[in-house]
Amino acid sequence: GAGVSQSPSNKVTEKGKDVELRCDPISGHTALYWYRQSLGQGLEFLIYFQGNSAPDKSGLPSDRFSAERTGGSVSTLTIQRTQQEDSAVYLCASSIGQGTTEAFFGQGTRLTVV
Amino acid sequence: GDSVTQMEGPVTLSEEAFLTINCTYTATGYPSLFWYVQYPGEGLQLLLKATKADDKGSNKGFEATYRKETTSFHLEKGSVQVSDSAVYFCALNQAAGNKLTFGGGTRVLVKP
Repeated sequence: GAGVSQSPSNKVTEKGKDVELRCDPISGHTALYWYRQSLGQGLEFLIYFQGNSAPDKSGLPSDRFSAERTGGSVSTLTIQRTQQEDSAVYLCASSIGQGTTEAFFGQGTRLTVV
Repeated sequence: GDSVTQMEGPVTLSEEAFLTINCTYTATGYPSLFWYVQYPGEGLQLLLKATKADDKGSNKGFEATYRKETTSFHLEKGSVQVSDSAVYFCALNQAAGNKLTFGGGTRVLVKP
């Protein structure tokens, strides 16, 4: 597609339920990032995929969070047993994989845990 | 590890005022530096970038110069408009790791 696509755009879930957030990067982009933006806060790095390399999971806040990227394209971020503090906007970005190039962001998924 | 520090907001200005948002970084090597902007209700988008020391990035009247000696990349605009109201993020990217590191963001509000 023309840009990074994320779905759903909004998700309301009950505490304790699992959720899956999807990201479709720009075709041909080898690098994919997930960030979290809480209300009024900055961007918190979660995980980074680059080609076939092992992902950088250093930002995942707990073992309830996991992500995968199938076939070097679509990525899914899974949050198990959601907690209220997981409420945030989850942003996905992709880039062509070189350090000097920009990352393109999706519109984000707003997750609300009630 | 790498880090980016930018001035906290909110910054409130009148239209046509001069805007400066300070950004300093800590990184090994020679990172690329970026400013991203998030307009109300929209996603993040690149505003400008600089890839080596003394480079000046510019776009939409905004400028920032990569200063390696002071490890800074301050964002400036000479005459802001109401439409410049947004959250601005400074970021760096190491070529080897290619992981974007962001500052905390600075909210700018321009009043007519």
